[in-house]
Amino acid sequence: AQSVTQLGSHVSVSEGALVLLRCNYSSSVPPYLFWYVQYPNQGLQLLLKYTTGATLVKGINGFEAEFKKSETSFHLTKPSAHMSDAAEYFCAVSHSSNTGKLIFGQGTTLQVKP
Amino acid sequence: DTGVSQDPRHKITKRGQNVTFRCDPISEHNRLYWYRQTLGQGPEFLTYFQNEAQLEKSRLLSDRFSAERPKGSFSTLEIQRTEQGDSAMYLCASSLDGTGVNTEAFFGQGTRLTVV
Repeated sequence: AQSVTQLGSHVSVSEGALVLLRCNYSSSVPPYLFWYVQYPNQGLQLLLKYTTGATLVKGINGFEAEFKKSETSFHLTKPSAHMSDAAEYFCAVSHSSNTGKLIFGQGTTLQVKP
Repeated sequence: DTGVSQDPRHKITKRGQNVTFRCDPISEHNRLYWYRQTLGQGPEFLTYFQNEAQLEKSRLLSDRFSAERPKGSFSTLEIQRTEQGDSAMYLCASSLDGTGVNTEAFFGQGTRLTVV
């Protein structure tokens, strides 16, 4: 069985500050891990993914995440927040045999203050 | 390539009515997924197709729900005798083949259903 926990349903940062969104997962098989972003009344856009190999993955819009197996974590970071980063962020897990069947966390709303 | 397309974007229906949603995946994608997202929650998996075959259905998919993908291209999701609890965003996603390191799911913009 797989599950995802996102710590903090709301995160507020100032423009230019570090963004850190936390995600912990549980998986009985090697996980594939994803971060998606959702703007109001829109679908989900893939930010980045971890499948195998390098544990630090870089995505679009300056985001990156690090897979830490020992901590079962996949936290999302961005060095400097922009106003346009304000959105809902979802962490998700799947596995290699069915990468599109995703188990999502409950989401974190990122607010960026001017 | 116009991405995953869903129609309609919004649907308001009276309780007890039937509704049908359509999803057009990215053209070369073999796998198609349906998810449901309620307010303030992450999407929840409902069902998926490999070409025209429906391979898995979540226990969330009650008998009032049915999904088809008749020619392995577009898919429809029908809800019969809608209930207020069916109000949600219904998301469709597609992927190339759903396995391995180079495939991921691409999502449509969703159909927001409101049952009044």
